[in-house]
Amino acid sequence: DAGVIQSPRHEVTEMGQEVTLRCKPISGHDYLFWYRQTMMRGLELLIYFNNNVPIDDSGMPEDRFSAKMPNASFSTLKIQPSEPRDSAVYFCASSFAGLDTQYFGPGTRLTVL
Amino acid sequence: DQQVKQNSPSLSVQEGRISILNCDYTNSMFDYFLWYKKYPAEGPTFLISISSIKDKNEDGRFTVFLNKSAKHLSLHIVPSQPGDSAVYFCAAGPTGTASKLTFGTGTRLQVTL
Repeated sequence: DAGVIQSPRHEVTEMGQEVTLRCKPISGHDYLFWYRQTMMRGLELLIYFNNNVPIDDSGMPEDRFSAKMPNASFSTLKIQPSEPRDSAVYFCASSFAGLDTQYFGPGTRLTVL
Repeated sequence: DQQVKQNSPSLSVQEGRISILNCDYTNSMFDYFLWYKKYPAEGPTFLISISSIKDKNEDGRFTVFLNKSAKHLSLHIVPSQPGDSAVYFCAAGPTGTASKLTFGTGTRLQVTL
């Protein structure tokens, strides 16, 4: 299996622009997670889905952030409008119910100027 | 409110010696604990886990110890190798699966020659 795939790997944008991050989970996994990594807060869970349904979005920082999972093989995290404080590495991870680990993608490094 | 804390942002250890990474948690509902390892420009990868019914779990050079009364866990690496140099994240969850995890801020381990 190719593992969790994220695109783009790097994104540089200007404040106020819309940013869309993409994730393809491992085939057969029924949980999908979006995390943000910063120096101050480490890995923060933003939102997670089970069978394409959002279960907990309490970690989404503001209404500027939204996430969708239209099918089992694709998810997006959108920031609109983006702000410099959104600069971070965003990870997507997936898992299968009953397994004891999440599998992470390589991350998207977002820089908002 | 950091429910999982890694108070040492960095640690330097000589090759061949023992590395001890520490983690504290505050949520009594956590009963499943994991360590992830992260190399630069990659996503975190699962290293080892322990459930609250145990106080020790071993996998080769890696051992995790859990002290439930102190709400403390530690990861021991013996002997440390240069390839162990990475950021280590402690994570905790309320169930026996990886359905929702809370991560710490990470400890950067440097193994020197």
